[in-house]
Amino acid sequence: DGGITQSPKYLFRKEGQNVTLSCEQNLNHDAMYWYRQDPGQGLRLIYYSQIVNDFQKGDIAEGYSVSREKKESFPLTVTSAQKNPTAFYLCASSSPAYNSPLHFGNGTRLTVT
Amino acid sequence: AQTVTQSQPEMSVQEAETVTLSCTYDTSENNYYLFWYKQPPSRQMILVIRQEAYKQQNATENRFSVNFQKAAKSFSLKISDSQLGDTAMYFCAFVNGSSNTGKLIFGQGTTLQVKP
Repeated sequence: DGGITQSPKYLFRKEGQNVTLSCEQNLNHDAMYWYRQDPGQGLRLIYYSQIVNDFQKGDIAEGYSVSREKKESFPLTVTSAQKNPTAFYLCASSSPAYNSPLHFGNGTRLTVT
Repeated sequence: AQTVTQSQPEMSVQEAETVTLSCTYDTSENNYYLFWYKQPPSRQMILVIRQEAYKQQNATENRFSVNFQKAAKSFSLKISDSQLGDTAMYFCAFVNGSSNTGKLIFGQGTTLQVKP
């Protein structure tokens, strides 16, 4: 079955450490996205990529980095520069058309202490 | 800047009854799409329904329908014959048609509890 896989489901890190969240899709979608979800704030866009080897900052990119070396993969690194990294992170993908719905992974809950 | 507002943080409804979730948005664009997504306790985001701004006819998907009022910039979701499985957080989302990307702008969400 086609879909998006995020791993791990839960992730714990100490403050000051970088951590990478995995996102893999087998839907053959060109576009991929990372959203952050906090209580009462909905989903906010961190980074997105419309094609391999290219990506753009979203609304809250500070303290995050991404890469898009393969069409299927779009890993997100939460760096030590991110001031409030504890959150639920959702990866999504879509066809290139603007009106194509997003397909989401199951998310990763990151807790930094 | 485009914004999406959901003014009801929490709602509840009795099983088999009808409930309407509100959503308003702000944009100067004329070409755009609107979506409703559902996030059950599993936290998997699921597309419920979508509406093209250029279509006057309201979208319908089984028990789910929208009331799209373009002039008022309102996009409410009606759930008929509510079921326990409808318990979830619901997000309204907007995408600009001229952006040529799938960048969605989400509202804050409404938590819906369906009571037996």
